[in-house]
Amino acid sequence: EDKVVQSPLSLVVHEGDTVTLNCSYEVTNFRSLLWYKQEKKAPTFLFMLTSSGIEKKSGRLSSILDKKELSSILNITATQTGDSAIYLCAVGFTDKLIFGTGTRLQVFP
Amino acid sequence: NAGVTQTPKFQVLKTGQSMTLQCAQDMNHNSMYWYRQDPGMGLRLIYYSASEGTTDKGEVPNGYNVSRLNKREFSLRLESAAPSQTSVYFCASIEVRSPAFFGQGTRLTVV
Repeated sequence: EDKVVQSPLSLVVHEGDTVTLNCSYEVTNFRSLLWYKQEKKAPTFLFMLTSSGIEKKSGRLSSILDKKELSSILNITATQTGDSAIYLCAVGFTDKLIFGTGTRLQVFP
Repeated sequence: NAGVTQTPKFQVLKTGQSMTLQCAQDMNHNSMYWYRQDPGMGLRLIYYSASEGTTDKGEVPNGYNVSRLNKREFSLRLESAAPSQTSVYFCASIEVRSPAFFGQGTRLTVV
């Protein structure tokens, strides 16, 4: 059965901390892995990864894919309260795009 | 600056009523998707359409039907709503090697 698993489910940190979110998958005909941030409404796109070992960065956020381990991590350095959100991992395969359950990140001042 | 337009934004139904959620995209994408999101959970795929004229079941298709009317539009129908279908529904469109773009969501309550 195709699946996407994220860990941890929930994370509480203080401003300035660094966090690492994990995503693992088991799918056939893998095409891409995507990270989204969801606050109150629709998910907003962060990264799309298709090749192993190539880090993508945007400000304090970075992500990398490991196709051998069937996993990806999302790092956030120097967290801020505005980073509080649900972070969703999605995997595109064949014609489908399925999501993990998400990691809820809460950043306190 | 439209992207993916989803209607309605909110809806309250009585058990057994029917309704159709509409979704339209103006990005000329081939693939369109319907998801539901329940509290504390990620998005679960209901149905998807890889191209105009085709539709396929996702993870949680029971109780729903879909129509890919043309390349732009993909509708989701609840024939006989049940309280278990209370959820937030998202439509998305995607092209190969591009990220999915989402509509703003429909908050549906079935009483």
